[in-house]
Amino acid sequence: DAGVTQSPTHLIKTRGQQVTLRCSPKSGHDTVSWYQQALGQGPQFIFQYYEEEERQRGNFPDRFSGHQFPNYSSELNVNALLLGDSALYLCASSPTTSGQETQYFGPGTRLLVL
Amino acid sequence: GDSVTQMEGPVTLSEEAFLTINCTYTATGYPSLFWYVQYPGEGLQLLLKATKADDKGSNKGFEATYRKETTSFHLEKGSVQVSDSAVYFCALSFVNDKLIFGTGTRLQVFP
Repeated sequence: DAGVTQSPTHLIKTRGQQVTLRCSPKSGHDTVSWYQQALGQGPQFIFQYYEEEERQRGNFPDRFSGHQFPNYSSELNVNALLLGDSALYLCASSPTTSGQETQYFGPGTRLLVL
Repeated sequence: GDSVTQMEGPVTLSEEAFLTINCTYTATGYPSLFWYVQYPGEGLQLLLKATKADDKGSNKGFEATYRKETTSFHLEKGSVQVSDSAVYFCALSFVNDKLIFGTGTRLQVFP
């Protein structure tokens, strides 16, 4: 049983560029959440997708957007990159329909903005 | 708003020492509580969880008890190993809701 997978593992971009990160949830999970983890900090919630809709959003600007596909996989898009967007981006999946709240994380995508 | 507070690190221990990492929370209602562990260069792994008051979560020798009266969920292990060196995150969540994390506590275990 594959766990949560993310791609790419590392990414280097320059200010002003756009980036797309991808996530495949654990088998049987229908909900995907995205978190940003700055160096030395705890993860901060960006948004959560369920049934292809954004169900909940954290305190992040509109430059951060996402999408969920019918197979439950998800993308995180960040436009107009800033130096401060450099972080580890974590995807987590959970099975909403089974009523279980535990979120399982992928290995993350490390984004460096120069 | 809801929040989690963890003791600051790093926590430095010798192998086989007893470990305690303190975690307290503030929440309206009764969330589920979690400990996640992050090894260098990796994502977060679920270590243990508790979903209601007085529940004890346990895994790999680690334990934590959900204390409603003190709003705490302290992580303990009787005998740490070098391989336990990592960053530990305490977190809370309500059903189908986001995880709220503490700032993390780095544990360093020396032989």
